[in-house]
Amino acid sequence: DADVTQTPRNRITKTGKRIMLECSQTKGHDRMYWYRQDPGLGLRLIYYSFDVKDINKGEISDGYSVSRQAQAKFSLSLESAIPNQTALYFCATSDGDWGNEQFFGPGTRLTVL
Amino acid sequence: GESVGLHLPTLSVQEGDNSIINCAYSNSASDYFIWYKQESGKGPQFIIDIRSNMDKRQGQRVTVLLNKTVKHLSLQIAATQPGDSAVYFCAEAGGGADGLTFGKGTHLIIQP
Repeated sequence: DADVTQTPRNRITKTGKRIMLECSQTKGHDRMYWYRQDPGLGLRLIYYSFDVKDINKGEISDGYSVSRQAQAKFSLSLESAIPNQTALYFCATSDGDWGNEQFFGPGTRLTVL
Repeated sequence: GESVGLHLPTLSVQEGDNSIINCAYSNSASDYFIWYKQESGKGPQFIIDIRSNMDKRQGQRVTVLLNKTVKHLSLQIAATQPGDSAVYFCAEAGGGADGLTFGKGTHLIIQP
């Protein structure tokens, strides 16, 4: 969905490096999410935010941190990247509770060597 | 832990036939279910959703069926087209869990 953008789209980094993935949205949604996708495992929730002052851990938050800089921006950081964090990362937004549709960005493919 | 799963990782159908993709969920307290379509190189795209107070919902060429008795969800695609080729995920929400819980996905392959 062009209303949700992610940068970078691809990144290769080395073990121990700090990495930041950015997400921006023009949908005006309050709620933003970060998911990780691994082959055969579907998407898993890392962190989510219901508004600028709200941050919540998801299913697999260990090794990650997030920052909600503004309503439209939600970044995901890997403080010290490790190879098993190699995955496809998706940002999503929604304007309501879990019962409302989530709109996904195009994804960031991260490889940690 | 509770999870949402799909019965088949790959489903191959002839173009023009109807496709049925199945999903079993285990959290009986979930009250909202969604089907997403993910094409290669793209993020998941919403197809259709259904709430637990319904057992059927129809969209354009798609129908979602919910059987709460056996905790089963299915997506029916009528007259399958080449553009339907993608990975389809079911997801559930509610029941005290955070966020959406996704199944592992079914890759729908369209045979000419």
